[in-house]
Amino acid sequence: GAGVSQSPSNKVTEKGKDVELRCDPISGHTALYWYRQRLGQGLEFLIYFQGNSAPDKSGLPSDRFSAERTGESVSTLTIQRTQQEDSAVYLCASSSRLSSGYTFGSGTRLTVV
Amino acid sequence: QKEVEQDPGPLSVPEGAIVSLNCTYSNSAFQYFMWYRQYSRKGPELLMYTYSSGNKEDGRFTAQVDKSSKYISLFIRDSQPSDSATYLCAMSASGGSNYKLTFGKGTLLTVNP
Repeated sequence: GAGVSQSPSNKVTEKGKDVELRCDPISGHTALYWYRQRLGQGLEFLIYFQGNSAPDKSGLPSDRFSAERTGESVSTLTIQRTQQEDSAVYLCASSSRLSSGYTFGSGTRLTVV
Repeated sequence: QKEVEQDPGPLSVPEGAIVSLNCTYSNSAFQYFMWYRQYSRKGPELLMYTYSSGNKEDGRFTAQVDKSSKYISLFIRDSQPSDSATYLCAMSASGGSNYKLTFGKGTLLTVNP
């Protein structure tokens, strides 16, 4: 596609429920990233995928968070047993190389009530 | 002390003004410096990318990096109402983790017609 596509754009969920967020990167971009943007905070790195290499999961805040990516295609970020502090915009980005910068999607706005 | 500090503003200027946006950082390993623009409810988009120290100009935008002072700037000349957005600085270290960006909190800019 022409850009990074994320779905859903908005998600309201009850505390304790599981949610799954989807990211479709730009075709040909080998690198894929997930970031979290909480209100009044800078973007926080969550996870990085590069081709078939082992992902860098060092930014995942707890074991309730997990992400998968098959090859160089779609990625899903799953949050289990959601908590109110998980409320944030979850941004996905892809890139072909660092010097070209990331291309971000519009994000999924998650609200946990 | 946070790794990247950015004045959140808000900053309000008249159309045609020169805008100066700044970030300071503490990690001397940072080598890659970026500025992103984020419109409301959209993902950040890359404006400028600089490696190490120096200046880079692109149209009305100029990015400056002063590594000795750990200080980066973005200047916008002849500002337009369409420049109204949140501006995020981002940076990363060289080496194996250069993909992992550390962001400032962003500065909200309004350009008034």
